[in-house]
Amino acid sequence: GQQLNQSPQSMFIQEGEDVSMNCTSSSIFNTWLWYKQDPGEGPVLLIALYKAGELTSNGRLTAQFGITRKDSFLNISASIPSDVGIYFCAGQYGQNFVFGPGTRLSVLP
Amino acid sequence: DAGVIQSPRHEVTEMGQEVTLRCKPISGHDYLFWYRQTMMRGLELLIYFNNNVPIDDSGMPEDRFSAKMPNASFSTLKIQPSEPRDSAVYFCASRGQYGYTFGSGTRLTVV
Repeated sequence: GQQLNQSPQSMFIQEGEDVSMNCTSSSIFNTWLWYKQDPGEGPVLLIALYKAGELTSNGRLTAQFGITRKDSFLNISASIPSDVGIYFCAGQYGQNFVFGPGTRLSVLP
Repeated sequence: DAGVIQSPRHEVTEMGQEVTLRCKPISGHDYLFWYRQTMMRGLELLIYFNNNVPIDDSGMPEDRFSAKMPNASFSTLKIQPSEPRDSAVYFCASRGQYGYTFGSGTRLTVV
Protein backbone atom coordinates (compact mmCIF):
# COMPACT_ATOMS: atom_id res chain seq x y z
CA GLY A 1 0.00 0.00 0.00
CA GLN A 2 0.92 3.66 0.00
CA GLN A 3 3.75 4.56 2.31
CA LEU A 4 5.62 7.77 2.90
CA ASN A 5 9.18 8.23 4.10
CA GLN A 6 10.35 11.40 5.76
CA SER A 7 13.90 12.56 6.28
CA PRO A 8 15.53 13.37 8.46
CA GLN A 9 13.78 11.58 11.31
CA SER A 10 14.95 14.26 13.69
CA MET A 11 17.12 17.32 13.61
CA PHE A 12 18.66 19.79 16.01
CA ILE A 13 19.33 23.26 14.69
CA GLN A 14 20.42 26.60 16.04
CA GLU A 15 17.88 29.39 16.24
CA GLY A 16 18.09 31.49 13.09
CA GLU A 17 19.18 28.63 10.84
CA ASP A 18 17.22 27.46 7.82
CA VAL A 19 15.69 23.98 7.84
CA SER A 20 14.93 21.59 5.02
CA MET A 21 13.04 18.31 5.23
CA ASN A 22 11.52 16.05 2.64
CA CYS A 23 8.96 13.39 2.03
CA THR A 24 9.18 10.62 -0.56
CA SER A 25 7.02 7.78 -1.76
CA SER A 26 7.01 5.05 -4.35
CA SER A 27 3.40 6.01 -5.14
CA ILE A 28 2.05 9.01 -6.99
CA PHE A 29 -0.16 11.40 -5.05
CA ASN A 30 -2.40 14.18 -6.32
CA THR A 31 -2.24 16.31 -3.20
CA TRP A 32 0.46 16.85 -0.61
CA LEU A 33 -0.13 18.39 2.78
CA TRP A 34 2.35 19.47 5.44
CA TYR A 35 1.29 19.48 9.09
CA LYS A 36 2.97 20.53 12.32
CA GLN A 37 2.18 18.91 15.65
CA ASP A 38 2.97 20.65 18.92
CA PRO A 39 3.30 18.53 22.07
CA GLY A 40 -0.10 17.52 23.42
CA GLU A 41 -1.98 18.83 20.42
CA GLY A 42 -3.30 17.53 17.14
CA PRO A 43 -1.52 18.19 13.83
CA VAL A 44 -2.22 21.59 12.30
CA LEU A 45 -2.20 22.17 8.57
CA LEU A 46 0.67 24.37 7.36
CA ILE A 47 0.62 24.14 3.58
CA ALA A 48 -1.41 22.31 0.92
CA LEU A 49 -0.05 21.51 -2.56
CA TYR A 50 -2.30 20.48 -5.42
CA LYS A 51 -0.19 20.48 -8.59
CA ALA A 52 3.12 18.92 -9.61
CA GLY A 53 5.86 21.54 -9.49
CA GLU A 54 3.80 23.86 -7.31
CA LEU A 55 5.80 26.01 -4.91
CA THR A 56 3.83 27.57 -2.07
CA SER A 57 4.87 29.79 0.83
CA ASN A 58 3.28 30.50 4.17
CA GLY A 59 5.34 33.07 6.02
CA ARG A 60 8.75 31.56 6.68
CA LEU A 61 7.62 28.20 5.33
CA THR A 62 7.98 27.11 1.72
CA ALA A 63 6.88 23.77 0.30
CA GLN A 64 7.10 22.23 -3.13
CA PHE A 65 5.20 19.46 -4.85
CA GLY A 66 7.75 17.35 -6.73
CA ILE A 67 7.58 17.06 -10.51
CA THR A 68 7.35 13.27 -10.30
CA ARG A 69 4.42 13.62 -7.84
CA LYS A 70 6.25 11.18 -5.58
CA ASP A 71 7.93 13.68 -3.30
CA SER A 72 7.64 17.01 -1.56
CA PHE A 73 9.90 19.18 0.55
CA LEU A 74 9.37 21.75 3.27
CA ASN A 75 11.78 24.57 4.08
CA ILE A 76 11.68 26.78 7.13
CA SER A 77 13.76 29.94 7.02
CA ALA A 78 15.26 31.73 10.01
CA SER A 79 14.02 29.21 12.56
CA ILE A 80 12.67 30.38 15.91
CA PRO A 81 12.04 28.45 19.14
CA SER A 82 8.33 27.99 18.45
CA ASP A 83 9.16 26.00 15.30
CA VAL A 84 9.87 23.07 17.62
CA GLY A 85 7.55 20.14 16.95
CA ILE A 86 6.92 17.22 14.65
CA TYR A 87 6.36 17.92 10.98
CA PHE A 88 4.25 15.44 9.04
CA CYS A 89 3.74 15.17 5.32
CA ALA A 90 0.57 13.57 4.00
CA GLY A 91 -0.31 12.38 0.52
CA GLN A 92 -3.84 11.96 -0.74
CA TYR A 93 -5.17 8.76 -2.27
CA GLY A 94 -8.87 8.54 -2.95
CA GLN A 95 -10.66 10.25 -0.08
CA ASN A 96 -7.92 9.48 2.43
CA PHE A 97 -4.51 10.76 3.29
CA VAL A 98 -1.54 8.65 4.30
CA PHE A 99 0.84 10.26 6.77
CA GLY A 100 4.59 10.02 6.93
CA PRO A 101 6.32 9.11 10.20
CA GLY A 102 7.27 12.72 10.85
CA THR A 103 10.42 14.81 11.29
CA ARG A 104 11.05 15.93 14.85
CA LEU A 105 12.57 19.41 14.94
CA SER A 106 14.40 20.85 17.92
CA VAL A 107 15.60 24.46 17.92
CA LEU A 108 18.45 25.37 20.22
CA PRO A 109 18.65 28.96 21.49
CA ASP B 1 -15.59 28.07 14.59
CA ALA B 2 -14.38 26.09 17.61
CA GLY B 3 -12.66 23.49 15.47
CA VAL B 4 -12.88 19.75 16.01
CA ILE B 5 -13.71 19.05 19.63
CA GLN B 6 -12.71 15.84 21.35
CA SER B 7 -13.47 14.61 24.82
CA PRO B 8 -12.10 13.65 27.18
CA ARG B 9 -8.57 15.03 26.75
CA HIS B 10 -7.16 12.35 29.01
CA GLU B 11 -8.55 8.98 30.04
CA VAL B 12 -7.00 6.48 32.40
CA THR B 13 -8.82 3.20 32.75
CA GLU B 14 -8.24 -0.30 33.97
CA MET B 15 -7.80 -3.20 31.63
CA GLY B 16 -11.13 -4.76 30.74
CA GLN B 17 -13.16 -1.59 31.13
CA GLU B 18 -15.16 0.01 28.35
CA VAL B 19 -13.83 3.30 26.98
CA THR B 20 -15.79 5.78 24.89
CA LEU B 21 -14.10 8.62 23.05
CA ARG B 22 -16.17 11.47 21.62
CA CYS B 23 -15.79 13.85 18.72
CA LYS B 24 -17.66 16.85 17.38
CA PRO B 25 -16.52 17.71 13.85
CA ILE B 26 -16.50 21.13 12.24
CA SER B 27 -19.94 22.06 11.02
CA GLY B 28 -20.32 21.48 7.30
CA HIS B 29 -17.48 18.97 7.03
CA ASP B 30 -18.89 15.78 5.56
CA TYR B 31 -15.96 13.47 6.24
CA LEU B 32 -14.88 12.36 9.70
CA PHE B 33 -11.82 10.28 10.48
CA TRP B 34 -10.53 8.50 13.57
CA TYR B 35 -6.76 8.11 13.89
CA ARG B 36 -4.54 6.50 16.51
CA GLN B 37 -1.04 7.79 17.18
CA THR B 38 1.74 5.86 18.88
CA MET B 39 5.48 6.27 18.92
CA MET B 40 5.98 2.95 17.20
CA ARG B 41 3.38 3.19 14.45
CA GLY B 42 2.82 6.92 13.97
CA LEU B 43 -0.59 8.08 12.77
CA GLU B 44 -2.84 5.18 11.77
CA LEU B 45 -6.24 5.59 10.18
CA LEU B 46 -8.81 3.51 12.03
CA ILE B 47 -12.08 4.36 10.29
CA TYR B 48 -13.71 7.14 8.35
CA PHE B 49 -17.26 8.28 7.69
CA ASN B 50 -18.82 10.18 4.83
CA ASN B 51 -22.17 11.83 5.54
CA ASN B 52 -22.40 9.80 8.76
CA VAL B 53 -21.94 6.48 6.94
CA PRO B 54 -18.89 4.32 7.72
CA ILE B 55 -16.92 3.93 4.49
CA ASP B 56 -13.74 2.12 5.44
CA ASP B 57 -13.10 0.45 8.78
CA SER B 58 -10.22 -1.73 7.63
CA GLY B 59 -7.90 0.04 10.04
CA MET B 60 -9.88 -0.92 13.12
CA PRO B 61 -7.56 -3.25 15.03
CA GLU B 62 -10.11 -5.85 16.07
CA ASP B 63 -13.67 -6.42 17.14
CA ARG B 64 -13.06 -4.71 20.45
CA PHE B 65 -13.13 -1.42 18.57
CA SER B 66 -16.34 0.11 17.23
CA ALA B 67 -17.25 3.55 15.94
CA LYS B 68 -20.56 5.28 15.31
CA MET B 69 -21.71 8.55 13.84
CA PRO B 70 -25.39 8.96 14.70
CA ASN B 71 -25.54 12.44 13.19
CA ALA B 72 -23.41 15.00 11.41
CA SER B 73 -22.21 16.63 14.61
CA PHE B 74 -21.19 13.69 16.75
CA SER B 75 -19.11 10.53 16.58
CA THR B 76 -17.89 8.00 19.13
CA LEU B 77 -15.08 5.48 19.20
CA LYS B 78 -15.60 2.70 21.70
CA ILE B 79 -13.15 0.10 22.98
CA GLN B 80 -14.62 -2.82 24.88
CA PRO B 81 -12.85 -4.44 26.63
CA SER B 82 -9.80 -2.19 26.74
CA GLU B 83 -6.26 -3.58 26.90
CA PRO B 84 -2.91 -1.97 27.81
CA ARG B 85 -1.79 -2.10 24.17
CA ASP B 86 -4.66 0.25 23.31
CA SER B 87 -2.81 3.03 25.12
CA ALA B 88 -2.26 5.80 22.57
CA VAL B 89 -3.46 9.22 21.52
CA TYR B 90 -6.67 9.03 19.52
CA PHE B 91 -7.40 11.83 17.11
CA CYS B 92 -10.58 12.75 15.37
CA ALA B 93 -10.36 14.84 12.19
CA SER B 94 -12.93 16.28 9.88
CA ARG B 95 -12.30 17.14 6.29
CA GLY B 96 -13.03 20.39 4.58
CA GLN B 97 -11.90 22.03 1.38
CA TYR B 98 -8.23 22.32 2.37
CA GLY B 99 -7.59 19.00 4.02
CA TYR B 100 -8.04 17.67 7.49
CA THR B 101 -8.58 19.61 10.67
CA PHE B 102 -7.58 17.60 13.69
CA GLY B 103 -8.92 17.74 17.20
CA SER B 104 -6.56 17.98 20.15
CA GLY B 105 -6.78 14.26 20.76
CA THR B 106 -7.64 11.97 23.65
CA ARG B 107 -4.68 10.45 25.47
CA LEU B 108 -5.78 6.99 26.57
CA THR B 109 -3.86 5.03 29.15
CA VAL B 110 -5.00 1.51 29.97
CA VAL B 111 -3.41 0.09 33.09
